[in-house]
Amino acid sequence: DAKTTQPPSMDCAEGRAANLPCNHSTISGNEYVYWYRQIHSQGPQYIIHGLKNNETNEMASLIITEDRKSSTLILPHATLRDTAVYYCIVRAFHNTDKLIFGTGTRLQVFP
Amino acid sequence: IAGITQAPTSQILAAGRRMTLRCTQDMRHNAMYWYRQDLGLGLRLIHYSNTAGTTGKGEVPDGYSVSRANTDDFPLTLASAVPSQTSVYFCASSDTSRGTEAFFGQGTRLTVV
Repeated sequence: DAKTTQPPSMDCAEGRAANLPCNHSTISGNEYVYWYRQIHSQGPQYIIHGLKNNETNEMASLIITEDRKSSTLILPHATLRDTAVYYCIVRAFHNTDKLIFGTGTRLQVFP
Repeated sequence: IAGITQAPTSQILAAGRRMTLRCTQDMRHNAMYWYRQDLGLGLRLIHYSNTAGTTGKGEVPDGYSVSRANTDDFPLTLASAVPSQTSVYFCASSDTSRGTEAFFGQGTRLTVV
């Protein structure tokens, strides 16, 4: 699986959009971009994933650049409950191998 | 309610003792994983299993063993616990044939003294 790079930490004001970047410059054509988050000491929670088109669900939007070498997770109206560590993972759709987490981005939403 | 269950929730264990952490899922997912998370750090993969009867080593497998006798259960065993194995352990499962997301258990907080 391709390696990802994320900033270690970010801040965001409550009610504003949080834009979390991820670099995956070695991504292969069959690899998807997955985002998870971990709130405090809970188990990680799936947010969204995509291949090359932008994706949106009830939690967030995922913007993938045309060359697929980077992506941005957007939380449109951040709340205090969105304070968490956000992980960007790249893996093949039918990958039956390991699921490796990096160090993630610690997002702090402030009032 | 469908999901993934870990037991125990927490445990204090004397060094040198043997301990098995249990993980059960009822979603019929083919793949299961064990991670450890040390205080303030990210998740590190210990062992994984792509299907019943097969297992593989992750990033930090030393001191741990796993088995996958059936689809639902994936126990993690510490043969002789050491203080450096003090951590929070998470089990996860996913259906890799459909590329679904991984579902995580609530974690087991293990303290080795």
